[in-house]
Amino acid sequence: GAGVSQTPSNKVTEKGKYVELRCDPISGHTALYWYRQSLGQGPEFLIYFQGTGAADDSGLPNDRFFAVRPEGSVSTLKIQRTERGDSAVYLCASSPLGTTRTQYFGPGTRLLVL
Amino acid sequence: AQTVTQSQPEMSVQEAETVTLSCTYDTSENNYYLFWYKQPPSRQMILVIRQEAYKQQNATENRFSVNFQKAAKSFSLKISDSQLGDTAMYFCAFMKGAGGTSYGKLTFGQGTILTVHP
Repeated sequence: GAGVSQTPSNKVTEKGKYVELRCDPISGHTALYWYRQSLGQGPEFLIYFQGTGAADDSGLPNDRFFAVRPEGSVSTLKIQRTERGDSAVYLCASSPLGTTRTQYFGPGTRLLVL
Repeated sequence: AQTVTQSQPEMSVQEAETVTLSCTYDTSENNYYLFWYKQPPSRQMILVIRQEAYKQQNATENRFSVNFQKAAKSFSLKISDSQLGDTAMYFCAFMKGAGGTSYGKLTFGQGTILTVHP
């Protein structure tokens, strides 16, 4: 079956602009996660959804970052007033119900803020 | 808070040989899961192997196996019969078990770049 997909694969924007990054999880997966990966580093947790609600948004760095999942499937990560420090790969993952919660990742969106 | 440490920034191995990647973690939790993920240049994070902390038996997946030492908080990955396609960045990751706060959140180490030479 289809894996996690993310669009766009690459995004170049200018400082101060608004961007939206989209994640389409594996069909039937109720949990969805966003991570941010800086160059040469491990991914860092941003937010996790269980269904439509954000179960844990403790990793969002500030109020410029916001994510939604209105129908419990596709999710959008929104970044307002982008800064050069927001440049990174944004990874999305999904997992099925169950205690093991193994996460399956998408290919990521590489964001470059000029 | 949990921390995951991978002390080997880079490793190399000859094709067909065995290599071991190290990972240590720090937690006060008793119920948790540990993972190894592989990230090739394509960026796609691929699950290699998973270990439940309550299981004493080390997990194995074909050429991949782990040495899980719960008391020492160590979780190393052994790759046997290394193949050129194993070249990638490898990440160790920790996840709290069910019932705790932040359940589902993965905490990653810094990664180890593995190069397999022909």
